[in-house]
Amino acid sequence: DAGVIQSPRHEVTEMGQEVTLRCKPISGHDYLFWYRQTMMRGLELLIYFNNNVPIDDSGMPEDRFSAKMPNASFSTLKIQPSEPRDSAVYFCASRRTGNYEQYFGPGTRLTVT
Amino acid sequence: EDQVTQSPEALRLQEGESSSLNCSYTVSGLRGLFWYRQDPGKGPEFLFTLYSAGEEKEKERLKATLTKKESFLHITAPKPEDSATYLCAVFRNDYKLSFGAGTTVTVRA
Repeated sequence: DAGVIQSPRHEVTEMGQEVTLRCKPISGHDYLFWYRQTMMRGLELLIYFNNNVPIDDSGMPEDRFSAKMPNASFSTLKIQPSEPRDSAVYFCASRRTGNYEQYFGPGTRLTVT
Repeated sequence: EDQVTQSPEALRLQEGESSSLNCSYTVSGLRGLFWYRQDPGKGPEFLFTLYSAGEEKEKERLKATLTKKESFLHITAPKPEDSATYLCAVFRNDYKLSFGAGTTVTVRA
């Protein structure tokens, strides 16, 4: 069974550009989470969805960040405009109702110059 | 405010030298505690879930235990392939995870 899939694995962009990160959760999982990991702040939850509906976006740092889940097998995290302080590894994770264990993707390493 | 503190930050072990990692927490509502392993350049890999004080889980050379205020991850006779960062996360009443900063374990042959 395929795990959580994220793309791209690496993204280098210039300040001010739009960045879109993509995630495909594990089939059958109805919860999807977006995290950001930095050396300074560790792993932080940005937003999570249940059945494609955003439930809690209190971790989204500012209006430059947005996330969507148009269907059960795809989600995007968009940063517009990007800034150097957005440089981090972004992880997507998923789980199914009744099972609280979250399974993480390989992450997208974002560098904003 | 919820806090999850892991110690030590880094641990260097000789192969076969057993040791323990600590995860202490102050959380207003705890549903459970998770341990993850993270290798460089990869996402966290799920290891264990503990739901109640006194519970223990084992997997190969790893054993996780839980009390009301902390959890321990014991590594028995570690091998170089056990080198990784180990993360603990508390599962809160709002169904969100709060992660500790991790303990980076290096096992020398």
